[in-house]
Amino acid sequence: EAGVVQSPRYKIIEKKQPVAFWCNPISGHNTLYWYRQNLGQGPELLIRYENEEAVDDSQLPKDRFSAERLKGVDSTLKIQPAELGDSAVYLCASSSPPGAGDTQYFGPGTRLTVL
Amino acid sequence: SQQGEEDPQALSIQEGENATMNCSYKTSINNLQWYRQNSGRGLVHLILIRSNEREKHSGRLRVTLDTSKKSSSLLITASRAADTASYFCATPPRRSNTGKLIFGQGTTLQVKP
Repeated sequence: EAGVVQSPRYKIIEKKQPVAFWCNPISGHNTLYWYRQNLGQGPELLIRYENEEAVDDSQLPKDRFSAERLKGVDSTLKIQPAELGDSAVYLCASSSPPGAGDTQYFGPGTRLTVL
Repeated sequence: SQQGEEDPQALSIQEGENATMNCSYKTSINNLQWYRQNSGRGLVHLILIRSNEREKHSGRLRVTLDTSKKSSSLLITASRAADTASYFCATPPRRSNTGKLIFGQGTTLQVKP
């Protein structure tokens, strides 16, 4: 079974530039999560999808961040414009079925460096 | 906001020794999970313990949960160099049935060969 796939693995951009991350969850997983992990910290949830619906985006900085999950499968997380403080690892995870604290399967992450 | 706090923040041991990591949390929980993260990689689920369980084993891993103290511990026995990683505890908010997890800051374990 293929795991969660993310691309790119690494991205270096200058501040004020846009950037996008892509995630393909495990086949059949209805729930998809985007986390941000700062250096030396645990992951923090940005947004959670149930199928194509964003059901928890309370931690997503909506002024510059956006996400979509068309057709309830792949997802894209975008930052526009990027700021220095956005440098972090962006992790995608998926799980099925949705429920209280079910095991989440993580991708390798995208390490973003904003110069 | 972070629910769990791991202790110690960093741990260095020799191969073959046991490693113990602790996690304290703030609110009532339905379950507590432990994840491992190797350098530059994503997180891997290790074990889940439910609020009505006190101890759980999986291979060389032993997890305990004390809900009265709001704490959990992860014991890795007979450690190997390959156990070198960061370990995180994670909990879902009790009244939440959303699958949301709140992670602690992690313990960085180094196992020296």
